[in-house]
Amino acid sequence: QLQLQESGPGLVKPSETLSLTCTVSGGSISSNSYYWGCIRQPPGKGLEWIGIVYYSGNTYYNPSLKSRVTISVDTSKNQFSLKLSSVTAADTAVYYCARQKRAYDAFDIWGHGTMVTVS
Amino acid sequence: QSALTQPASVSGSPGQSITISCTGTNSDVGNFNLVSWYQHHPGKAPQLIIYEGTKRPSGVSNRFSGSKSGSTASLTISGLKAEDEADYYCCSFAGSNTWVFGGGTKLTVL
Repeated sequence: QLQLQESGPGLVKPSETLSLTCTVSGGSISSNSYYWGCIRQPPGKGLEWIGIVYYSGNTYYNPSLKSRVTISVDTSKNQFSLKLSSVTAADTAVYYCARQKRAYDAFDIWGHGTMVTVS
Repeated sequence: QSALTQPASVSGSPGQSITISCTGTNSDVGNFNLVSWYQHHPGKAPQLIIYEGTKRPSGVSNRFSGSKSGSTASLTISGLKAEDEADYYCCSFAGSNTWVFGGGTKLTVL
């Protein structure tokens, strides 16, 4: 069973860059059947789509975050990573990694999420 | 790209049916049959329960069903159970390989 595990710093200072790594286990990230995505949930609010990456490196981002977001993939480590620059308190959230199954056009497997606080 | 609109909360008694709406625009829900629904128990990983508006992944109970009319998608849960108490989110394709989520609905089973 494929699993996703997020790892991040927990606490980031304002104006710095938030870095999050998603490790894929139990399956290969190098599949043409999936995209790999990042989604977040600020405290007390709903989910927000951040972006997705294909194993080839193609990326697609939320227009409202595009200027600050980079998602990259490392097939040798079976990982993908999120970088969000110039963070503010508004970026405080639980950050999730998720697999988007192309045949479903939906996120079929999620990680448990990791809380990142900007302070 | 604005968040899809969901009611903040709904409630129902065990055995009853409830429906959660998800309203978008002609740029997302109204233009594509690519709405998915997720069940989220706080502290756990969200779970996909409906994709492409009406389809259920293997293993998801047939008590969950989806539909769409115009720019509004709906999730119906029939035969409510205590374990259905959770947050529910819709998500829609919004063009140009971008996606938008709803604000979420808290379901309380009375």
